[in-house]
Amino acid sequence: DQQVKQNSPSLSVQEGRISILNCDYTNSMFDYFLWYKKYPAEGPTFLISISSIKDKNEDGRFTVFLNKSAKHLSLHIVPSQPGDSAVYFCAASALSGTASKLTFGTGTRLQVTL
Amino acid sequence: DAGITQSPRHKVTETGTPVTLRCHQTENHRYMYWYRQDPGHGLRLIHYSYGVKDTDKGEVSDGYSVSRSKTEDFLLTLESATSSQTSVYFCAIAGGRGNQPQHFGDGTRLSIL
Repeated sequence: DQQVKQNSPSLSVQEGRISILNCDYTNSMFDYFLWYKKYPAEGPTFLISISSIKDKNEDGRFTVFLNKSAKHLSLHIVPSQPGDSAVYFCAASALSGTASKLTFGTGTRLQVTL
Repeated sequence: DAGITQSPRHKVTETGTPVTLRCHQTENHRYMYWYRQDPGHGLRLIHYSYGVKDTDKGEVSDGYSVSRSKTEDFLLTLESATSSQTSVYFCAIAGGRGNQPQHFGDGTRLSIL
């Protein structure tokens, strides 16, 4: 039972264009969402988060959008750079629960081409 | 970078042997977590700790135990390793009341033959 889904295993985008990574969730108790970026042989690195009281959060080139009614969030990267090539994981938790346990999606591999 | 060190970084062992992985943090964070990453599954929570001697099970806890005798150290033990436990294991820490983003170590690649 996959509560957090990333339906696109991979995405290829040209440098300078927008990258849009999508994530869907099924658990209505989730109220805090995060995006992580992972390079090979390294741990996931926190990118950006959003709580359910917001529908948008921006940090530099990264913007996360949350549509609670559709149980959908997306990460926009603009402009995309070659260094953004990595695997991106969406994660969710219920802050009212103990210790903010994260449930992860399966990841989307982003390749930014020159 | 968050001060998280995982050891060992790589280990190869045989089925039936005990294995202990260590996570050490220098951030004095209350919350610590162990995840495993497998193809097609993303990261899945094994166990977590919300304080010294306070631990609880995650989604895939069968076959694993944990201990936390000091704030800075969180140990993951496979009592009798099986080939299905071949995976990459990540430790994470979080501050506040568990409502801060988790920060991850660089992982331990464990192969069980």
